[in-house]
Amino acid sequence: GEDVEQSLFLSVREGDSSVINCTYTDSSSTYLYWYKQEPGAGLQLLTYIFSNMDMKQDQRLTVLLNKKDKHLSLRIADTQTGDSAIYFCAESTTGGYNKLIFGAGTRLAVHP
Amino acid sequence: DTAVSQTPKYLVTQMGNDKSIKCEQNLGHDTMYWYKQDSKKFLKIMFSYNNKELIINETVPNRFSPKSPDKAHLNLHINSLELGDSAVYFCASSPPFTGVTEAFFGQGTRLTVV
Repeated sequence: GEDVEQSLFLSVREGDSSVINCTYTDSSSTYLYWYKQEPGAGLQLLTYIFSNMDMKQDQRLTVLLNKKDKHLSLRIADTQTGDSAIYFCAESTTGGYNKLIFGAGTRLAVHP
Repeated sequence: DTAVSQTPKYLVTQMGNDKSIKCEQNLGHDTMYWYKQDSKKFLKIMFSYNNKELIINETVPNRFSPKSPDKAHLNLHINSLELGDSAVYFCASSPPFTGVTEAFFGQGTRLTVV
């Protein structure tokens, strides 16, 4: 079945690294995604990783994928107050007609 | 330039009414979606259209009827509104399927049923 789970809340100090975790159940997931939602806005795609990759780095963002454990993480280096938002993990599967299955979102709060 | 735009941004209405939400994308994408985000921020797909054809129809009450007059527009009509329909509704679009679903979301329509 399709299920994506995330912890709901994370609080970090400005300048520290943030790590947001996600687990998924569908072993046929082809791509896994991280979306960001700022208050009052729609979701914005941050990054994605193909299921046969272990890691992807994009500036301050590092995505780690453990396919065996079906575990995905997003690390944000040097977290800034502008990073405060809700971060959604999502998966898509083969033959899914572009269907995205989202987790419940992790609210990241960055404090001075 | 707004890529995916929805109107209205806010909608307050009484139970039993019928309302519509409009969505337009200027990205030239073939696929459009409606997602519902509840008060706990949980986001679920409702419908997806590809070139005006319905391709995804999740378990949604038939009071909800999407309509796609052309591939740049996907509207959502809701009949006999209920309190439980209160949510934020997001329209999204994505380019032709290549394996990656790079969805672009609108700003959302906050529907409040009183």
